[in-house]
Amino acid sequence: EVQLLESGGGLVQPGGSLRLSCAASGFAFSSYAMTWVRHAPGKGLEWVSAISGGGVNTYYADSVKGRFTISRDNFKNTLYLQMNSLRAEDTALYYCAKGGWSSHFDYWGQGTLVTISS
Amino acid sequence: EIVLTQSPATLSLSPGERATLSCRASQSVTSYLDWYQQKPGQAPRLLIYDASNRATGIPARFSGSGSGTDFTLTISSLEPEDFAVYYCQQRSDWPRTFGQGTKVEIK
Repeated sequence: EVQLLESGGGLVQPGGSLRLSCAASGFAFSSYAMTWVRHAPGKGLEWVSAISGGGVNTYYADSVKGRFTISRDNFKNTLYLQMNSLRAEDTALYYCAKGGWSSHFDYWGQGTLVTISS
Repeated sequence: EIVLTQSPATLSLSPGERATLSCRASQSVTSYLDWYQQKPGQAPRLLIYDASNRATGIPARFSGSGSGTDFTLTISSLEPEDFAVYYCQQRSDWPRTFGQGTKVEIK
């Protein structure tokens, strides 16, 4: 059974940093691209970043480019999102999802909440 | 980036009625268009991939059509559990983008 479990969310002041993690199980992690998607309160889904299976290729939304870094550890079956220079508008529930390179998102985690506030 | 425009923003219907949701892309995405359903407090769920293919376990009342820039998600007869928000998403080009969503609410 595929499982994706996000962690690392919390309350941070503007300008601060957080690192989110997504522990994956139940599939050949290194064979699949992985993606971060966020859902801000009262808004729609926003694609944030994706990374290829091998971890070499990455893409970012313009809203996070230069501030967020996606990475993965294929030995630990874990996806990461390093978030720096956080802003109030980064407040959201952050989901990790399997796929997103040439394929759809067939599995999603339950999300981890990030709140940016002073 | 490719902008996806969904219409209507809200659809008010009764159980048993047919729902027709639209997603229009600012440029062609060929058939790289997927549909997701999201209920309050839950993660999104894949319904339709590649414009017209139902995902595993999705009931036959859900269907997708279209190609290029115009796509439709149809729910042939609404069940109580279908009242939710629906998003289209393109994976034709980077950055990937979602539509703003259509809320299907009980009339």
